Amino acid sequence: EVQLVESGGGLVQPGGSLTVSCEASGFNFNEYYMHWVRQTPGKGLEWVSRIAWNGGGIDYAASVKGRFTISRDNAKSSLHLQMTSLNRDDTGLYYCARGGPVAGPLDNWGQGTLVIVSS
Amino acid sequence: DVQMTQSPSSLAASVGDTVTVTCRASRSIGTYLSWYQQKPGKAPKLLIYDGSSLQSGVPSRFSGTESGTDFTLTISGLQPEDFATYFCLQSYNTPFTFGHGTFLEIK
Repeated sequence: EVQLVESGGGLVQPGGSLTVSCEASGFNFNEYYMHWVRQTPGKGLEWVSRIAWNGGGIDYAASVKGRFTISRDNAKSSLHLQMTSLNRDDTGLYYCARGGPVAGPLDNWGQGTLVIVSS
Repeated sequence: DVQMTQSPSSLAASVGDTVTVTCRASRSIGTYLSWYQQKPGKAPKLLIYDGSSLQSGVPSRFSGTESGTDFTLTISGLQPEDFATYFCLQSYNTPFTFGHGTFLEIK
């Protein structure tokens, strides 16, 4: 059974930094694209970033480019999202999701980790 | 960026009804369109991918069709567990973009 478990969310002040992580199990992690998607009351579901199976193929949403960094550790089946210069618009539930081929759907999702940016 | 226009934003229906939800892409996305169901407090669940392919384990009352840049999700014979929010997602190119969702409620 595919399992994705996010962690690392919390309360952070505007301008602060936070790293969220996703532990994967039940599949060959190093064969899949992985994505971060966030859900906010204001914008609904918003795709944030993706990374290819080999750590390449990295893309970001314009709203986070230059502030967020996606990475993965295939040896540990883990995905990470380092977030800096956080602002209130970054508040939301952050999901990791498994992708298929380059343009494939997101076929499995974690339960999300909540990030709140507030003073 | 590809804009996904999803309609309606909400829909009231009864058990047994057939309902349709539509997403229109702002430009061609081939068939790189998927549909998701989300229930309160839960993560989205993949229902349909590649426009019309049923994800394993999803009941056959869910179906998807495509016509150019228009994509439709149909639920035939609504069941009580189908009342939820539905989203489309284009994965033709980055940034991937979602529709704004359709809230399906019981009439």
